[in-house]
Amino acid sequence: EDQVTQSPEALRLQEGESSSLNCSYTVSGLRGLFWYRQDPGKGPEFLFTLYSAGEEKEKERLKATLTKKESFLHITAPKPEDSATYLCATDSWGKLQFGAGTQVVVTP
Amino acid sequence: EAQVTQNPRYLITVTGKKLTVTCSQNMNHEYMSWYRQDPGLGLRQIYYSMNVEVTDKGDVPEGYKVSRKEKRNFPLILESPSPNQTSLYFCASSSIQGYEQYFGPGTRLTVT
Repeated sequence: EDQVTQSPEALRLQEGESSSLNCSYTVSGLRGLFWYRQDPGKGPEFLFTLYSAGEEKEKERLKATLTKKESFLHITAPKPEDSATYLCATDSWGKLQFGAGTQVVVTP
Repeated sequence: EAQVTQNPRYLITVTGKKLTVTCSQNMNHEYMSWYRQDPGLGLRQIYYSMNVEVTDKGDVPEGYKVSRKEKRNFPLILESPSPNQTSLYFCASSSIQGYEQYFGPGTRLTVT
């Protein structure tokens, strides 16, 4: 059965304290893996798509990487505005499966 | 402005009373999808559509119907809502090639 698991469930960071979020997956026919950011009461906001093992993408303080079994979202020197829930999702030709998310809180 | 709109944003209804949640996008996207989000369970895909007249089941399609008669619209229909369909619903769209899904603002549904 296809499965997407994110860890940790929650993460509390001091401003400037870098960390990584994990997304492990078992999906047949993976076409791509996505990372989204979600703020309370809002729809998810797209961050990255990764297509193949070894691929990396960066955006400001965020960097996403992909292996054959997991993906990491690295947050470098986070700021309070990086506080959000981060979601990963796998795509098998239109059928998407989301992880439960990692709630990140960055304190000044 | 590129956007996905959903209506209504909030709805309280009673068991068994048919309802429709509309979803519309102005980006000429081929792909559209519906999700429900519940605490501890994350986002779960209900139905998706790769193009007009093409729809497929996601992980939790039971109790829901969809149709895609026009490219821009993808309504979600609950023929006989039950309390376990109380949830936050999101519609999303993307171009097949672009992959970047744009999400609507969400519809909070309560079924009593």
